Amino acid sequence: GAGVSQSPSNKVTEKGKDVELRCDPISGHTALYWYRQRLGQGLEFLIYFQGNSAPDKSGLPSDRFSAERTGESVSTLTIQRTQQEDSAVYLCASSLVLGLRIPHEQYFGPGTRLTVT
Amino acid sequence: KQEVTQIPAALSVPEGENLVLNCSFTDSAIYNLQWFRQDPGKGLTSLLLIQSSQREQTSGRLNASLDKSSGRSTLYIAASQPGDSATYLCAVRSGGSNYKLTFGKGTLLTVNP
Repeated sequence: GAGVSQSPSNKVTEKGKDVELRCDPISGHTALYWYRQRLGQGLEFLIYFQGNSAPDKSGLPSDRFSAERTGESVSTLTIQRTQQEDSAVYLCASSLVLGLRIPHEQYFGPGTRLTVT
Repeated sequence: KQEVTQIPAALSVPEGENLVLNCSFTDSAIYNLQWFRQDPGKGLTSLLLIQSSQREQTSGRLNASLDKSSGRSTLYIAASQPGDSATYLCAVRSGGSNYKLTFGKGTLLTVNP
């Protein structure tokens, strides 16, 4: 079985442009997470999707950031009007959710390295 | 707010040495703690997951311990090899949401041949 995949692996964009990052979770994983890792910093939680529940968007840093998920499959993270401070590696993870709605171990994709010039 | 600290930030050792990486967290009310490995340009690979009720987990040359009351975890690597060179990340799941992971900044390990 394939792991979590992300595309593109690298993206260079000009300041002010919009970018879209894609995540394909492991088949059957109902939970999906996005994280951001800026240079020299720990991973920061951005957003969490679980089945048909309303996503937890509490980690999104500004209204320029949004994410969608189609059912229990692909997710896209969109950054509008990119700024240089958005340069980071964006990591996606997925997991099963077991009884009592407790998420299981998270499996991470290779990330998308975004550079805003 | 949960905060996770990892010490040291970087560590360089000769091949064959045993070593310990440290992780501390401020809020002891955790669901579990996880150690990851991150190679340059790669995603995270989960190494060990310790539930809050457990004291340690072992996998091969790796042993992770958890002292929840004191807010500490250690990752012990026995007989280190150059292939162990990577950044090691500690993360805890805690708080009202049982899915958010709070990460430390990591320890960059270099094992010299």
